[in-house]
Amino acid sequence: QVQLVQSGAEVKRPGASVKLSCEASGYSFNNKNAIHWLRQAPGQPFEWLGWINTGNGNTRLSQKFQGRLNITRDTPATTAYMDLSSLTSADTAVYFCVKGGRPLFDSWGQGALVTVSS
Amino acid sequence: DIQMTQSPSSLSASVGDRVTVTCQASQDISKFLNWFQQRPGKVPKLLIYDATSLQTGVSSRFSGSRVGTDFILTITSLQPEDIATYYCQQYDNLPYTFGQGTKLQI
Repeated sequence: QVQLVQSGAEVKRPGASVKLSCEASGYSFNNKNAIHWLRQAPGQPFEWLGWINTGNGNTRLSQKFQGRLNITRDTPATTAYMDLSSLTSADTAVYFCVKGGRPLFDSWGQGALVTVSS
Repeated sequence: DIQMTQSPSSLSASVGDRVTVTCQASQDISKFLNWFQQRPGKVPKLLIYDATSLQTGVSSRFSGSRVGTDFILTITSLQPEDIATYYCQQYDNLPYTFGQGTKLQI
């Protein structure tokens, strides 16, 4: 079955960067598939950050995060990565990787809490 | 960005009740809407996709409907395990956007 296993919780200082990983299994990672990154901040609705076509590496990022968000993948390792820089307290949230395709968002990683605090 | 207005924000019901949650899109999104259930401390679970299609393995007590830009999630014969927060999400246009959620209590 499809599994997405994320790296663990992180605590970062303001201004730092965080890189999260998402290891996929149970489906064809590099064949017309995608991984999306979402986040859920306390008391806020889910927010879509961006996605990567895990076949060709193309990405689409939310304009809100342009310039400080990078999404990559390692095809042999069937792993996607999200790198967010210039962190502020507003970036404190649980970050999820979610499988693209049809139907969209049918499989989720377990989430990774990122806490930004001085 | 497309705004998804979800109502009510919270809902109290009894076992066996029929409940509805509504989501209104700020513009036409065709059928491209998901409904999720998130139990406390858990990862969201896809219930309905393409506005009306039941995800594999999901109870038939859940159903989705659409009238224009208004979308409705209906839960019949409410069960204790339905305690959760329910979210709608559009995937017609980037950035994909979510409703604020409806917290269901029994």
